[in-house]
Amino acid sequence: GAVVSQHPSWVICKSGTSVKIECRSLDFQATTMFWYRQFPKQSLMLMATSNEGSKATYEQGVEKDKFLINHASLTLSTLTVTSAHPEDSSFYICSAKGLHSYNEQFFGPGTRLTVL
Amino acid sequence: GQQLNQSPQSMFIQEGEDVSMNCTSSSIFNTWLWYKQDPGEGPVLLIALYKAGELTSNGRLTAQFGITRKDSFLNISASIPSDVGIYFCAGQLGTSGTYKYIFGTGTRLKVLA
Repeated sequence: GAVVSQHPSWVICKSGTSVKIECRSLDFQATTMFWYRQFPKQSLMLMATSNEGSKATYEQGVEKDKFLINHASLTLSTLTVTSAHPEDSSFYICSAKGLHSYNEQFFGPGTRLTVL
Repeated sequence: GQQLNQSPQSMFIQEGEDVSMNCTSSSIFNTWLWYKQDPGEGPVLLIALYKAGELTSNGRLTAQFGITRKDSFLNISASIPSDVGIYFCAGQLGTSGTYKYIFGTGTRLKVLA
């Protein structure tokens, strides 16, 4: 139980294009989903928190117009990196917290984004 | 962004040895979580701690929630080669509807056979 998937697992794009990453909770309903960014050999940095049906809450320093988050249903959240640039290249990981998972969050396998 | 202080940053140990790592913060947390991350993958939950002073085990792993609610430690007994990876602590801030998780800086563990 508590499986979270991400798609795609990796993506390479040209500078200036937009990339959408999907995060799905496969066997539970996720009331809250989190998006993290992880640079090589570093920790996970929280980018934003999204609750189903409401606007995402972004961490300080994260541009909400550049990283668009949509949490349209209890099993799906999407992160769109708009007008991507090489400095946006990173490992993006989502996690989900369900109605009955007390304080635990379950992570997806991550998406590696490379912007050329 | 905010991070928790985790130590040691990395460690090399011999197979069979016990391992100890800890996490400290200036903030009080409601929940402490310990994760293991393998290269190119998402973190996997190892142990969750919900009450100050709580001591919880999961196989060879034991973790404790500090009584001040500002720290936690993780012990691994009799390490094996597959224990290699990066271990992260995470603390939960906020209340229902406004949860946020802050991650530690990570401990990179290498086990020598």
